[in-house]
Amino acid sequence: QSVLTQPPSASGTPGQWVTISCSGSSSNIGSDNVYWYQQLPGTAPKLLIYRNNQRPSGVPDRFSGSKSGTSASLAISGLRSEDEADYYCAAWDGSLSGWVFGGGTKLTVL
Amino acid sequence: QVQLQQSGPGLVKPSQTLSLTCAISGDSVSSNSAAWNWIRQSPSRGLEWLGRTYYRSKWYNTYAISVKSRITINPDTSKNQFSLNLNSVTPEDTAVYYCARTKSGDLDYWGQGTLVTVSS
Repeated sequence: QSVLTQPPSASGTPGQWVTISCSGSSSNIGSDNVYWYQQLPGTAPKLLIYRNNQRPSGVPDRFSGSKSGTSASLAISGLRSEDEADYYCAAWDGSLSGWVFGGGTKLTVL
Repeated sequence: QVQLQQSGPGLVKPSQTLSLTCAISGDSVSSNSAAWNWIRQSPSRGLEWLGRTYYRSKWYNTYAISVKSRITINPDTSKNQFSLNLNSVTPEDTAVYYCARTKSGDLDYWGQGTLVTVSS
């Protein structure tokens, strides 16, 4: 069981707006930054959002992140077929002194 | 551009030691603002952080409680790389292993991953 909680699946049609939630606790999301990763089949996770809502260069502005209290969300607007992937949230946990992850959300573009 | 290139065997026998190396380009293993992590991923355990090594005037290591008694992460400054040793492996240690960088607190770049199977 993962420390951070994500829905196992999400879906949308091209052009739609979808959100993926990530729930944690005061020792991780509640006290530190949240990170989001996109993982395509057979590849390593790729940083999508850092420090709750910042995009690395090269990541389209269709991707956005937010955080409130002990929860965070990833939003994808203008959904495209190439967005079909697994998405993971992560945060540093001060109690465990280590990185913790969500179980991942499989996004399907219908 | 930071690149992390992993190497090591894909098959390890039970009770033996799993050893992987991560070669760094575009940064230094001795950087005062970076940490060098090992993370694994399996269908049963998901993404699991295993530990890290970092330099802040001296070397430090932090390990996950779940593997603390079996793990060693070592820097190699001469080759600008770091390694993972996990001893007494069982089939439950079968996973894709990743090295990854933390820079100024951000977990950003990951290696390509190595599937390690524990089997006789």
